[in-house]
Amino acid sequence: GDSVTQMEGPVTLSEEAFLTINCTYTATGYPSLFWYVQYPGEGLQLLLKATKADDKGSNKGFEATYRKETTSFHLEKGSVQVSDSAVYFCALSEGFKTIFGAGTRLFVKA
Amino acid sequence: ETGVTQTPRHLVMGMTNKKSLKCEQHLGHNAMYWYKQSAKKPLELMFVYNFKEQTENNSVPSRFSPECPNSSHLFLHLHTLQPEDSALYLCASSQDRGGEETQYFGPGTRLLVL
Repeated sequence: GDSVTQMEGPVTLSEEAFLTINCTYTATGYPSLFWYVQYPGEGLQLLLKATKADDKGSNKGFEATYRKETTSFHLEKGSVQVSDSAVYFCALSEGFKTIFGAGTRLFVKA
Repeated sequence: ETGVTQTPRHLVMGMTNKKSLKCEQHLGHNAMYWYKQSAKKPLELMFVYNFKEQTENNSVPSRFSPECPNSSHLFLHLHTLQPEDSALYLCASSQDRGGEETQYFGPGTRLLVL
């Protein structure tokens, strides 16, 4: 069946460091891919998404490219801030089904 | 503020209690969802409603009973819960069900079962 695998956290970085959070997926068809972010005490909110191969989603300095050949959707940001500390979830959606990864906690130190 | 509100934000209940969680969305969406978020586990989809009709029940125990009186409101009725049911319960909505739809989440209800 379909699944999403993301790197385990926590990931701890200093402010202005480069961020990569890996996400790979398995799917039978052509899913849409998402990154959601959960700040402390809040629900999840959409960070970015891509609906077809080679699409790049971007928002707030974060980017991810839908790579069909490697079944990946890695999240990147060139320079993280303390305010980026949160839990990041990769997800795929195909038909009426949405599957979330386990989440990766990011800590950014000043 | 995502347009999805949940009450209460925190709930402590005994195993013999009956309580209800409420979710309301102000976005005009047609689909609503209940998720369970436990520590160190992926988000678990519990129930899905589309146009007030339940379209998915992911083998959830009968001690959880959903209710969707209209497209804007969703309830989760709880009775005779177990300590392992302690978790964050998240409500979400989307315009419709479908692969490209973004889900909008509420802040969750933190439930502790004693």
